Amino acid sequence: GENVEQHPSTLSVQEGDSAVIKCTYSDSASNYFPWYKQELGKGPQLIIDIRSNVGEKKDQRIAVTLNKTAKHFSLHITETQPEDSAVYFCAASMDSNYQLIWGAGTKLIIKP
Amino acid sequence: DSGVTQTPKHLITATGQRVTLRCSPRSGDLSVYWYQQSLDQGLQFLIQYYNGEERAKGNILERFSAQQFPDLHSELNLSSLELGDSALYFCASSTRASVDGEQYFGPGTRLTVT
Repeated sequence: GENVEQHPSTLSVQEGDSAVIKCTYSDSASNYFPWYKQELGKGPQLIIDIRSNVGEKKDQRIAVTLNKTAKHFSLHITETQPEDSAVYFCAASMDSNYQLIWGAGTKLIIKP
Repeated sequence: DSGVTQTPKHLITATGQRVTLRCSPRSGDLSVYWYQQSLDQGLQFLIQYYNGEERAKGNILERFSAQQFPDLHSELNLSSLELGDSALYFCASSTRASVDGEQYFGPGTRLTVT
């Protein structure tokens, strides 16, 4: 079945710098790739998603890129701010699969 | 606030017991998902209901069961509890039956089994 690997497990960056989190998936039929942010004590919240017919999507300081050939997708956060500190999860799904397959999460720490 | 409510917030119980976790989805959402998140772990999908019918099953143990009622609220029943069942249990809702859309997560129920 589908498997999603997420790296790194922890990422510490200086405030104002960029952060990149990468995920790889195993099944080339996957066609939907969301990213969720989980703040301490809260449930995850969708921050951006991308479908397989698009290579890149941006929303202000956040962008996601998808490389279907290499079967990986990445979350890019520019000009990081203290409020970006959280755990970020990637996920993948395909039409024939009725569930999201989740990565293990990345704890992002923004250093002042 | 996602609009998804979960009760109770915290639950402490003993091994062998049975508990029921409750979820009310956002107004208008027909899909309800249940997830388990153990300490410092990712999200494990348990089960999904859409408009009262079971739609997808993940790694849900036989000791666990769920249902979605006509008013669309859902309950997750955990029985014969073991220490390893201690975790955060999240409910999420969405408008769609398919997973390619935003899921709105509740604040979670923290279950501690002693």
